[in-house]
Amino acid sequence: EIVLTQSPGTLSLSPGERATLSCRARGSVSNNYLAWYQQKPGQPPRLLIYGASSRATGVPDRFRGSGAETDFTLTISRLEPEDFGVYYCQQYGTSLLFGGGTKVEIK
Amino acid sequence: QVQLVQSGAEVRKPGASVRVSCKASGYTFTDYYIHWVRQAPGQGLEWVAWINPNRGGTDSAQKFQGRVTITRDTSIDTAYVELSSLRSDDTAVYYCTRSGILWPRAFDVWGQGTMVIVSS
Repeated sequence: EIVLTQSPGTLSLSPGERATLSCRARGSVSNNYLAWYQQKPGQPPRLLIYGASSRATGVPDRFRGSGAETDFTLTISRLEPEDFGVYYCQQYGTSLLFGGGTKVEIK
Repeated sequence: QVQLVQSGAEVRKPGASVRVSCKASGYTFTDYYIHWVRQAPGQGLEWVAWINPNRGGTDSAQKFQGRVTITRDTSIDTAYVELSSLRSDDTAVYYCTRSGILWPRAFDVWGQGTMVIVSS
């Protein structure tokens, strides 16, 4: 069974800085069926990226997904105040599971 | 606009059952799977189960098999999840979410969440 490991657990950054979040799969993610979600306190998750690199509707282009097979990255080019929260990767191909999350907090 | 609206918070005793509803609007209900995802307090996301509203087929994560039932009523565009034999570690926010009927698809719209508290 695929396991998704996200790192780091917490990322402390200032607005304007670049954020790089990692999602590693134990086992290959079929056809790059890998998504990223953003969650803020008290809110449901929001889809950001699907198919490893396609932005969902309305997602700003400062969010970029990349990677393939077992190594995936979400990059936020310049953090805006509204980008702070928890980010989850998800495999949605042969099985449905989420990574443990990375918290992006204000430094 | 596209929405998934869930029923309100529930409190149950251990061993009891709970049913949560999810009403869809703004799209064709049978064109999207409905999934249930839960989140324990301070924890991450955990996929629970899905239903195909068109054909009624379902599947669930292995840890919930035998305890979870997903149904739908296409006349009112509503899906339900029922969890039985509740334990304290079932305390969580339960979300419904949807994915396109052409599998596989990511989860693009989410309900607001329903808090389920299991406590004696």
